[in-house]
Amino acid sequence: EPEVTQTPSHQVTQMGQEVILRCVPISNHLYFYWYRQILGQKVEFLVSFYNNEISEKSEIFDDQFSVERPDGSNFTLKIRSTKLEDSAMYFCASGRLAGAQETQYFGPGTRLLVL
Amino acid sequence: DAKTTQPTSMDCAEGRAANLPCNHSTISGNEYVYWYRQIHSQGPQYIIHGLKNNETNEMASLIITEDRKSSTLILPHATLRDTAVYYCIVRADNYGQNFVFGPGTRLSVLP
Repeated sequence: EPEVTQTPSHQVTQMGQEVILRCVPISNHLYFYWYRQILGQKVEFLVSFYNNEISEKSEIFDDQFSVERPDGSNFTLKIRSTKLEDSAMYFCASGRLAGAQETQYFGPGTRLLVL
Repeated sequence: DAKTTQPTSMDCAEGRAANLPCNHSTISGNEYVYWYRQIHSQGPQYIIHGLKNNETNEMASLIITEDRKSSTLILPHATLRDTAVYYCIVRADNYGQNFVFGPGTRLSVLP
């Protein structure tokens, strides 16, 4: 069964450093998403991406964040200058189509720790 | 904010049915009810979804009341591996609509 994969599984970085989190969505999916979950808190939406552009973003997704689909398979989240409060699990998700009847499938996550 | 309310936690004996309730009294006609679960800090796992009819798949059954203001997720024979946080989410049919997760129900399956 196809799965969303994410790398790395864990990332430790120093405050102020740039990090890139990588995701390989399910191959025939067209809609891509990033969510994050701070330890002990709810899963929060960051951004959705379709047709090589952002379709929706939350207020969390400020100028420090960017997303890219550099090739036909990868989908990346870049945090330009990490802050302590960026420490969280980051989940990538993908969906075949948009619409309420279309399921999103989540990856296993990347645990980011900013020191 | 999430448009659903769920109990904070529930226990279920192994081998018995787990019935997880969800209230969504403000649900609109075009909104689907989704259930996901999250085991430890793994990625949310899709379980089932429906609009107004009851649904069943290999994992669970979803019972939606006729007025659509509440639903119940049924795990027919809970196992220890079903211990997780279960999220009930309503989702509108808008372009690229993301999921809004609430705190969910922490289900503990007990031996």
